[in-house]
Amino acid sequence: GQQVMQIPQYQHVQEGEDFTTYCNSSTTLSNIQWYKQRPGGHPVFLIQLVKSGEVKKQKRLTFQFGEAKKNSSLHITATQTTDVGTYFCAGTDTGANSKLTFGKGITLSVRP
Amino acid sequence: ETGVTQTPRHLVMGMTNKKSLKCEQHLGHNAMYWYKQSAKKPLELMFVYSLEERVENNSVPSRFSPECPNSSHLFLHLHTLQPEDSALYLCASSQDQGLAKLFFGSGTQLSVL
Repeated sequence: GQQVMQIPQYQHVQEGEDFTTYCNSSTTLSNIQWYKQRPGGHPVFLIQLVKSGEVKKQKRLTFQFGEAKKNSSLHITATQTTDVGTYFCAGTDTGANSKLTFGKGITLSVRP
Repeated sequence: ETGVTQTPRHLVMGMTNKKSLKCEQHLGHNAMYWYKQSAKKPLELMFVYSLEERVENNSVPSRFSPECPNSSHLFLHLHTLQPEDSALYLCASSQDQGLAKLFFGSGTQLSVL
């Protein structure tokens, strides 16, 4: 079945450093979504990418969908302590029974 | 406030108890979901309801029984659970099933003793 992979599961950065994480799918995706879950909280939708090569920005966050629509990246410029949390990607495959599959997420910690 | 409300926030139950989780969405969405979130595992989709009809059951054990009486309410009835069922149970809704973004509730942290 479809797999969505996020490696590593944990990353620690110094406040002010940039951070990039990747999401890889075993199948071609029709879309990819990113969610953020703060410690003790619930996942909150951040962005959805649909087009091949699409790039979207939200303040210091930049999201990209790969040309082959099998991977995606999230880049945070100049991390802040408010960026702490777990970032999940989730992709919908292109099959007839398309369903959203989540990756395990990457937990980001930021040292002040 | 996401527009999706879950109760209770925390639940401790014994293996012989029967309990129910409740979810209510105030967003006018047509699809509702139950997810299980365990440590070090991806979010696991359990059930999907679209327009009050169950459209997906991901091989969930029968000790979990969902109910969707209308498009705004979703229940998860629990019976004879096992300790490995301890997890955060998240309800979500979306405008329609498919490519729509999910709005999650705050979850119920369940501990089975």
